[in-house]
Amino acid sequence: DTGVSQDPRHKITKRGQNVTFRCDPISEHNRLYWYRQTLGQGPEFLTYFQNEAQLEKSRLLSDRFSAERPKGSFSTLEIQRTEQGDSAMYLCASRVPEVKLAGADHEQFFGPGTRLTVL
Amino acid sequence: AQKVTQAQTEISVVEKEDVTLDCVYETRDTTYYLFWYKQPPSGELVFLIRRNSFDEQNEISGRYSWNFQKSTSSFNFTITASQVVDSAVYFCALSFISNFGNEKLTFGTGTRLTIIP
Repeated sequence: DTGVSQDPRHKITKRGQNVTFRCDPISEHNRLYWYRQTLGQGPEFLTYFQNEAQLEKSRLLSDRFSAERPKGSFSTLEIQRTEQGDSAMYLCASRVPEVKLAGADHEQFFGPGTRLTVL
Repeated sequence: AQKVTQAQTEISVVEKEDVTLDCVYETRDTTYYLFWYKQPPSGELVFLIRRNSFDEQNEISGRYSWNFQKSTSSFNFTITASQVVDSAVYFCALSFISNFGNEKLTFGTGTRLTIIP
């Protein structure tokens, strides 16, 4: 399978616990995005990486959230001291590098998401 | 600020009927991109189409067609001869090129489409 993969697919945790999610983008996709989707809503942008550099963060990303992409390949999203309001689907997406855009589609390819439930 | 409005929360049609999903957007950027994504019950977002702001040519792809009208800031999506497999939540999205080269997406709230057999 050469698509975007995310692990775990489901996570149930108790309020106050820390959780970490992993995203493996499509090979050679240097751009990686994290989105959050709550029930009945569209995905909302959280943060964006170009290679290993985190270039943009949404105001939705509070201090309890941290994202990394240490080697420019997979990425992790950690939530510390989880709250019930963190319950959502966390989606990862990747896209081709800028130099390959000519003639290529510009879409972001999404993974299956990690569904987080905070009790 | 960018905004995408999908006024139709839920639509149900009988199989083989045509259905149009509405999308209205707001942006101050002159260069932007519009997308439609499909989210089946499995949860994974599936890309359907991308249009840039300079290309108002409408497109037909099989049973899908898109109507982009810059004058009304609309990017509507029509499925002809609907099938049960079309049942999903459909999202319209908007993006622009930020200073960081970040083509982040702004999504609407989605339209849940149910095709009744």
